[in-house]
Amino acid sequence: DTEVTQTPKHLVMGMTNKKSLKCEQHMGHRAMYWYKQKAKKPPELMFVYSYEKLSINESVPSRFSPECPNSSLLNLHLHALQPEDSALYLCASSLLTADTQYFGPGTRLTVL
Amino acid sequence: DQQVKQNSPSLSVQEGRISILNCDYTNSMFDYFLWYKKYPAEGPTFLISISSIKDKNEDGRFTVFLNKSAKHLSLHIVPSQPGDSAVYFCAASAGVGNEKLTFGTGTRLTIIP
Repeated sequence: DTEVTQTPKHLVMGMTNKKSLKCEQHMGHRAMYWYKQKAKKPPELMFVYSYEKLSINESVPSRFSPECPNSSLLNLHLHALQPEDSALYLCASSLLTADTQYFGPGTRLTVL
Repeated sequence: DQQVKQNSPSLSVQEGRISILNCDYTNSMFDYFLWYKKYPAEGPTFLISISSIKDKNEDGRFTVFLNKSAKHLSLHIVPSQPGDSAVYFCAASAGVGNEKLTFGTGTRLTIIP
């Protein structure tokens, strides 16, 4: 089983809203990732968690705030986003860092 | 600086024939390479990988070839099926403990029935 789940599938929010994206895996993976993908572009790494600790932040604006409450869950808290933040947000996990990453289906975010 | 390049944005192949997708990289520290397949509005699905100690890895209809001296890898799909129509990304990482996966820009493969 290589399933990573993400909720919600779609999210529309205004620039003053606060919302959260959720990612879950039950494969015992200890590394989890957030990526952002714009249309016709490759996924871009945002954050990496290893053993529930943030190990990489790719200079992401503070309006994106990741959280890893336990080894199976990864959240991305969103606040005061801009329309250009509209994208597909992908979560991935791997057994350990540098192992094969398995992706969730993504959350399609639209910021109005 | 695009360290992983897929120079063909699109490719059309007749059903039953071989599809060959190409990927070039510039960073000589990359030692683990992966191919992902992506349908619209879905997450990438892992297909096959290869480490730099090998030059070929095969899994069913999918074979990945690695030419380290040319910094080139390719994905062969044979025979091609209509369900293979998708965008294919190659990705690379550098070294044990390196979490960062660098993706190419993708190739849209269309299988013609």
